[in-house]
Amino acid sequence: NAGVTQTPKFRILKIGQSMTLQCTQDMNHNYMYWYRQDPGMGLKLIYYSVGAGITDKGEVPNGYNVSRSTTEDFPLRLELAAPSQTSVYFCASTPPSGGGLEQFFGPGTRLTVL
Amino acid sequence: KQEVTQIPAALSVPEGENLVLNCSFTDSAIYNLQWFRQDPGKGLTSLLLIQSSQREQTSGRLNASLDKSSGRSTLYIAASQPGDSATYLCAVPGGANNLFFGTGTRLTVIP
Repeated sequence: NAGVTQTPKFRILKIGQSMTLQCTQDMNHNYMYWYRQDPGMGLKLIYYSVGAGITDKGEVPNGYNVSRSTTEDFPLRLELAAPSQTSVYFCASTPPSGGGLEQFFGPGTRLTVL
Repeated sequence: KQEVTQIPAALSVPEGENLVLNCSFTDSAIYNLQWFRQDPGKGLTSLLLIQSSQREQTSGRLNASLDKSSGRSTLYIAASQPGDSATYLCAVPGGANNLFFGTGTRLTVIP
């Protein structure tokens, strides 16, 4: 298994541009998450999904959108990039039983908005 | 809202020393706690997952304990090595099975 994969690894955006961060997992996990990590800080939840077609907001959803059309993919969309969105973005997933089990993380996407 | 705190924020020790990293959380109604390692510029590697029914979990030189009633967990690293240098994060699950993270302890092991 490749686990959780994310693309791109790095990206520089100009203010107002848009982009989609890709996340794919091949472990048949129901639950998927997007977190952001600002320098020197812990991770904060942006959006999550408990299965295909179901998404919900996390702690810091403003400026982002998500979709979940398949079990494997959970893309994160930035519509109008702002400098405050400069961060490292991590995608994660957990097995079908949900709670009580380990979360698996992707390698992250480092985004800079200038 | 669950809050997770890690102390100290940074720690420097000589190689070979045993050390303890601390994690505290405000809401004790958790069903597990997970410790991660993060190398600079890299993603998160899961180290240990302790279920609420367990008091500790061991993997090699790592031992993590959990005391739900006091809202605390510790990560014990025995015989530290320079390769252990990294940031260590603890996290507890929320209602959507998402994780609430501490801000981490940055560990440096000096050869």
